[in-house]
Amino acid sequence: AQSVTQLDSHVSVSEGTPVLLRCNYSSSYSPSLFWYVQHPNKGLQLLLKYTSAATLVKGINGFEAEFKKSETSFHLTKPSAHMSDAAEYFCVVSDRNAGNMLTFGGGTRLMVKP
Amino acid sequence: GAGVSQSPSNKVTEKGKDVELRCDPISGHTALYWYRQSLGQGLEFLIYFQGNSAPDKSGLPSDRFSAERTGGSVSTLTIQRTQQEDSAVYLCASSSIGKRYGTQPQHFGDGTRLSIL
Repeated sequence: AQSVTQLDSHVSVSEGTPVLLRCNYSSSYSPSLFWYVQHPNKGLQLLLKYTSAATLVKGINGFEAEFKKSETSFHLTKPSAHMSDAAEYFCVVSDRNAGNMLTFGGGTRLMVKP
Repeated sequence: GAGVSQSPSNKVTEKGKDVELRCDPISGHTALYWYRQSLGQGLEFLIYFQGNSAPDKSGLPSDRFSAERTGGSVSTLTIQRTQQEDSAVYLCASSSIGKRYGTQPQHFGDGTRLSIL
């Protein structure tokens, strides 16, 4: 069975400072991992995905995430937060045993202070 | 190119009425998913269509919920005899199926915000 835990329900940073959103996963097989972002009244937008290629994955809007198998983590980072980054972020896992089904974390709300 | 389109964007209805929510997936995507997102909650899987296979209905919360996908494209989610706890945002997503399961991301519509009075 697969599962995802986002360790922080809320994260608050100042504009221009680094962002770290933490995610740990559990998977019975080699997983695919994704980060999605959801702005208010919008659907989910794919930020980046890991599918067993390079462990450091670069996404849109300056975000990146590193797959660490030994730590079963897939934390999302950005060197410098922008006001427009304020949104809800979801870490998502899928493995072969689950077909194309995704399991979503509970979400982390990122707040950016001016 | 067009993304996933959902309609209506907002729906307000009285308790006990039936509602239909529509999803138009990305052209060529064989997989289609419905999710429910309640206020302050994560995503709850409802149902999954893949090509001509029987849908995976394991996430439907009750027999008041049903969904169809006609011609392998447009899908309709129907909620009968709506209850106040059905109030939520209903999201639709579609994806292609890659050679390796689980590697294709899902593309989401903006959702239908359903409010039951």
